[in-house]
Amino acid sequence: AQTVTQSQPEMSVQEAETVTLSCTYDTSENNYYLFWYKQPPSRQMILVIRQEAYKQQNATENRFSVNFQKAAKSFSLKISDSQLGDTAMYFCAFMKRAGNTPLVFGKGTRLSVIA
Amino acid sequence: GAVVSQHPSRVICKSGTSVKIECRSLDFQATTMFWYRQFPKQSLMLMATSNEGSKATYEQGVEKDKFLINHASLTLSTLTVTSAHPEDSSFYICSARGDPRTQPDNEQFFGPGTRLTVL
Repeated sequence: AQTVTQSQPEMSVQEAETVTLSCTYDTSENNYYLFWYKQPPSRQMILVIRQEAYKQQNATENRFSVNFQKAAKSFSLKISDSQLGDTAMYFCAFMKRAGNTPLVFGKGTRLSVIA
Repeated sequence: GAVVSQHPSRVICKSGTSVKIECRSLDFQATTMFWYRQFPKQSLMLMATSNEGSKATYEQGVEKDKFLINHASLTLSTLTVTSAHPEDSSFYICSARGDPRTQPDNEQFFGPGTRLTVL
C-alpha cells in the first residue's frame, strides 16, 4: 500500500516571501503521479501542480514549483512570492498510473500567509 | 478544467432519516467516481470507488449498507446515507475521472462538497 506523509501540520509565511512544504511517500510502484492540491476555506479542492514520476524535470506552474526526488521519494512544493490568497490547506497526493486507482492523500499542511 | 457539481451543498436531517447526495460531471463522461469523507481539520478519507454500471468498491471499515453508492450513468453518482446518526455528520466530497483510454492524464475533478449535519 502507498502512504503519503506531510510532516508539517502548520506553516506560516510573510506575504511576498517563499515557503516550501514537505511531502514524502512510500511505494513500490514505478509508474505514478504526484499532486499538490489546495483546499481554501471554501473547501473546494483545487489542483495546484502535478508531476509524472517518469519525468525527471520538476513541474512548474507560475509561482508554484516542485522538487521531485524520486530515489528519496520526496515531493516538496515551493510557493514563491506568497500571496494572501495562498492561505489554505495543502494536500500532497499519490496515484498509481495504471487502472482506476484513487488518490492517496497526506494529512495536509495548513499554510497561513501573513500580511 | 472539467466541472463536477454536488447537490445539495448543505443538508440538515433528523437522526434515523436517509439523505441522498448527488455528484454530477457536467461536461465529461465520468467512468469512475470516488467518494471521500472529511472531518474538520483532517484529510480526505476515501470511502468508495464507483465505476459506471457496476457495484462500488468500499474501503475497509466503510459500511456498504449504510453508505449506498449508485453510479447508474456516466454523469451521475449518488451517495445515500441510510438511517443517519449524529456521528455521520461530516463533509462529503466526490471526484470524477474520465475514461483513461481517452484521458490518459488520469486527472480527477472534485465536486464542491456537501456538509451533512445529523441532529
